[in-house]
Amino acid sequence: DVKVTQSSRYLVKRTGEKVFLECVQDMDHENMFWYRQDPGLGLRLIYFSYDVKMKEKGDIPEGYSVSREKKERFSLILESASTNQTSMYLCASSSPPSGKSEQYFGPGTRLTVT
Amino acid sequence: GENVEQHPSTLSVQEGDSAVIKCTYSDSASNYFPWYKQELGKGPQLIIDIRSNVGEKKDQRIAVTLNKTAKHFSLHITETQPEDSAVYFCAATGRGSTLGRLYFGRGTQLTVWP
Repeated sequence: DVKVTQSSRYLVKRTGEKVFLECVQDMDHENMFWYRQDPGLGLRLIYFSYDVKMKEKGDIPEGYSVSREKKERFSLILESASTNQTSMYLCASSSPPSGKSEQYFGPGTRLTVT
Repeated sequence: GENVEQHPSTLSVQEGDSAVIKCTYSDSASNYFPWYKQELGKGPQLIIDIRSNVGEKKDQRIAVTLNKTAKHFSLHITETQPEDSAVYFCAATGRGSTLGRLYFGRGTQLTVWP
């Protein structure tokens, strides 16, 4: 079974802290994605990566950065956490043929910034 | 980019009834349309998908229809059961299919009452 794991299910951080969210997939997938999920707004893409060290901005990249040093790991970084970044963060991965393949999601990290 | 609109945002049905969720998309280049189901506390999971060269696809109690001319597609669930209660997301590829990204609707909270 494909497995996408996220480092934490729940996380509480203070305003201004640097926050790292880690995602690991075990299926050798080329593509990895970070979404945030808020009530009524669905899944919004923050960043994605189609290869090691490659990244593309999604629809809401402001306030976030990413790192992909190894194929199986994709990290989301909040340089200086703010209360409006309180949300559920979902990681996903997929494999080509691009755009027609299933995205596999992790269980999510619920981040609270106080 | 692609704009996917999903209706309704909430849907309540009696067990045994049918449920229909509708989505529209804006980019005629979209060629793949998956549907995801998110149960409480879990990440979304693919339940059915349809490609642009097919008008309808069925898998047991769920079916998806696609009208490319009108740019809309729908999810149909027959003989609903309480375990069908979840959030459902539709998605489309847009022009980002070469990089594996999907554009998601805002989701439909389906509740099936016993």
